[in-house]
Amino acid sequence: DQQVKQNSPSLSVQEGRISILNCDYTNSMFDYFLWYKKYPAEGPTFLISISSIKDKNEDGRFTVFLNKSAKHLSLHIVPSQPGDSAVYFCAASGSNDYKLSFGAGTTVTVRA
Amino acid sequence: ETGVTQTPRHLVMGMTNKKSLKCEQHLGHNAMYWYKQSAKKPLELMFVYNFKEQTENNSVPSRFSPECPNSSHLFLHLHTLQPEDSALYLCASSQDNTGELFFGEGSRLTVL
Repeated sequence: DQQVKQNSPSLSVQEGRISILNCDYTNSMFDYFLWYKKYPAEGPTFLISISSIKDKNEDGRFTVFLNKSAKHLSLHIVPSQPGDSAVYFCAASGSNDYKLSFGAGTTVTVRA
Repeated sequence: ETGVTQTPRHLVMGMTNKKSLKCEQHLGHNAMYWYKQSAKKPLELMFVYNFKEQTENNSVPSRFSPECPNSSHLFLHLHTLQPEDSALYLCASSQDNTGELFFGEGSRLTVL
């Protein structure tokens, strides 16, 4: 039973343009959401997070949007750079919960 | 360098072998995790330890046996594995229930 879904396995975008990654979740108890980035042969690294009391969080080129009614969040990367080419995982958890549920990941390729 | 070190990085074993994966965190965190990543699938939580106590066993077969001797070290003992257990095993740590996990680089396991 997959509670976090990333329906796009891959995304190709031109350098300088915007990358938009989408994530849907089914568990209404989730109230904390994170994005992780993973390069080949490395572990995932934390990128940005958002709690359910917000609908937007911005950190430099990265912005995460949360639509609680639709159980949907997205990650915007603008402008996209070649170093952004990686696998991006969406994750979610509930309050006081040590368990993160992950999506299957979206592979982003930024073309020069 | 995330502060979480996993050894070995690669392991090939037969189905009758016994081996162990090791994880060490240098971040002073109080929670440690084992995740399994199979190709094109979400990261699957296997075990959670909080202050050395196991708080989660996510229906993992008994051929995987975790050990947490202290809050800085975590082991995953492997015995009589199956070829379908071949995957990337990721260790992570966190402070309390922040949800922000710090991952190691993973141990790539191949079962012949």
